[in-house]
Amino acid sequence: GDSVTQMEGPVTLSEEAFLTINCTYTATGYPSLFWYVQYPGEGLQLLLKATKADDKGSNKGFEATYRKETTSFHLEKGSVQVSDSAVYFCALGGFKTIFGAGTRLFVKA
Amino acid sequence: DTEVTQTPKHLVMGMTNKKSLKCEQHMGHRAMYWYKQKAKKPPELMFVYSYEKLSINESVPSRFSPECPNSSLLNLHLHALQPEDSALYLCASSQVGVTYNEQFFGPGTRLTVL
Repeated sequence: GDSVTQMEGPVTLSEEAFLTINCTYTATGYPSLFWYVQYPGEGLQLLLKATKADDKGSNKGFEATYRKETTSFHLEKGSVQVSDSAVYFCALGGFKTIFGAGTRLFVKA
Repeated sequence: DTEVTQTPKHLVMGMTNKKSLKCEQHMGHRAMYWYKQKAKKPPELMFVYSYEKLSINESVPSRFSPECPNSSLLNLHLHALQPEDSALYLCASSQVGVTYNEQFFGPGTRLTVL
């Protein structure tokens, strides 16, 4: 069946460091892909999305490109801030969204 | 209005109590969802309503009873819960019939069962 695999965390970075969180997926057809973020004590928020191959989603300095050939949707940010500390979920879209396990990011000042 | 609201924010209940969680959205979405999230885990889908009809029940125990009284409201009725049901309960909504399925989440109700 469809599935999403994310790199395990936690990931700890210093402020202004480069961030990559790896995400790969297995799916039939051509699903949409999402990154959701969950800040402490809150629900999930959509961070960015891509609906077809080679699409690049971007928001708040974060980017991810839908790579069909490598079945990947890696999340990147050039310079992280303390306020980016959160849990990041890669997800496969559809009527039943499939979430990855989540990657916790800690950013130190 | 792009907000999903949930009440209460926190709930503590005994195993013999009956309580309800409420969720509301005014984005015109016709799909609404209940998820259960344990600490350090992703959300687990419980129920999906589409056009106010239950379309997915992920084999959830009958002590959880969902209700969708209209297109803006979603309830989750709780009865005779177990301590292992303690979790964050998230409501979400989305459009139906689009090529992607971006979901909008509420802040959740943190439930503790004693």
